[in-house]
Amino acid sequence: TQLLEQSPQFLSIQEGENLTVYCNSSSVFSSLQWYRQEPGEGPVLLVTVVTGGEVKKLKRLTFQFGDARKDSSLHITAAQPGDTGLYLCAGRSGYSTLTFGKGTMLLVSP
Amino acid sequence: DTGVSQDPRHKITKRGQNVTFRCDPISEHNRLYWYRQTLGQGPEFLTYFQNEAQLEKSRLLSDRFSAERPKGSFSTLEIQRTEQGDSAMYLCASSLGAPTPEAFFGQGTRLTVV
Repeated sequence: TQLLEQSPQFLSIQEGENLTVYCNSSSVFSSLQWYRQEPGEGPVLLVTVVTGGEVKKLKRLTFQFGDARKDSSLHITAAQPGDTGLYLCAGRSGYSTLTFGKGTMLLVSP
Repeated sequence: DTGVSQDPRHKITKRGQNVTFRCDPISEHNRLYWYRQTLGQGPEFLTYFQNEAQLEKSRLLSDRFSAERPKGSFSTLEIQRTEQGDSAMYLCASSLGAPTPEAFFGQGTRLTVV
């Protein structure tokens, strides 16, 4: 069973602060996806990373896939209240289905 | 195309009743997935279709659960004899096949069993 551990589980910060959340596994993934989910809604895909060491930027969000394709990080610069939500990482190995972590709940206060 | 659509958004049912949920995937996507999510957890895989074929089922999917995708388009998930432990958000996602297996989720169906 492939497990994804996300940390921290919960993060409460002030607007303008920077933060990093982590997604770790002992398994190698062919691709890893990050989603953001708001209460009562389905997850929304933010990015997919497929190459070890890959870095992708989406406005103030920077995603990195570890060299060994076992871990990933999400860095948010100058967080805003609109960034509040549950951030989920999900890994795929080959043609298998996605395995999700438990998520990091981010609360950004004005 | 407006994305993955799920119906209903919310369902309250009495214990022991049967419920059925529907998912309409993105039209050109041949893969369809069902996940279940409880409070404080990430989505847990239930089952997966490629076109009309059900290719994988989780051990979480007891014999009270059944899913179909009769024409390779929309899918239904039925839960028979619901239990309070079935209360959760049921999420549907769809994707193309490899090499771009990015999964896009619907808004989910929130089931409450009372």
